[in-house]
Amino acid sequence: ETGVTQSPTHLIKTRGQQVTLRCSSQSGHNTVSWYQQALGQGPQFIFQYYREEENGRGNFPPRFSGLQFPNYSSELNVNALELDDSALYLCAVRQNTGELFFGEGSRLTVL
Amino acid sequence: GDSVTQMEGPVTLSEEAFLTINCTYTATGYPSLFWYVQYPGEGLQLLLKATKADDKGSNKGFEATYRKETTSFHLEKGSVQVSDSAVYFCALSDRNNDMRFGAGTRLTVKP
Repeated sequence: ETGVTQSPTHLIKTRGQQVTLRCSSQSGHNTVSWYQQALGQGPQFIFQYYREEENGRGNFPPRFSGLQFPNYSSELNVNALELDDSALYLCAVRQNTGELFFGEGSRLTVL
Repeated sequence: GDSVTQMEGPVTLSEEAFLTINCTYTATGYPSLFWYVQYPGEGLQLLLKATKADDKGSNKGFEATYRKETTSFHLEKGSVQVSDSAVYFCALSDRNNDMRFGAGTRLTVKP
């Protein structure tokens, strides 16, 4: 049971603000990935952390940053929010067999 | 780069109809292939996977076969139910372990 938990589930911000999204896993997986899913689109890879180090990044600007903690929980930080950052942000942990298990996401609305 | 193209929706079927959702991929190596399902208001759930050519993934009556010669991984189900209504995503995991998703296909099954 991976039990990936994300918080908050919904939030509203205004342009220019900063946001922090959080993710934790019951099983303490050491590889965590973050994805952005815009409305009506498939998830887009933001970055991946392995043992507290970023070890892969998609096509997202530096204002998207992250952290992974010794207990394998993770944060996604987005600075200088733009309207197009409105999306569902998904955290996923990677199983040894390669598949990802996702949390239910944090829905961010930027006004 | 590696990518996935899947059949655009939406797809509307009657209960007990046969389902096919097409998915093709482009990859330089030998990726693992996945189908994920997203029910309304939820995160993504792994439906099935295949890790090498000619492998068949199956789960809950859904099947998909990894076809290297046609670079395809089409999803099929012989008899859909109303509870199968959801968005289906084809995905691949490449040598960098990034997961690349298609845009998703929305399936609605009517009683």
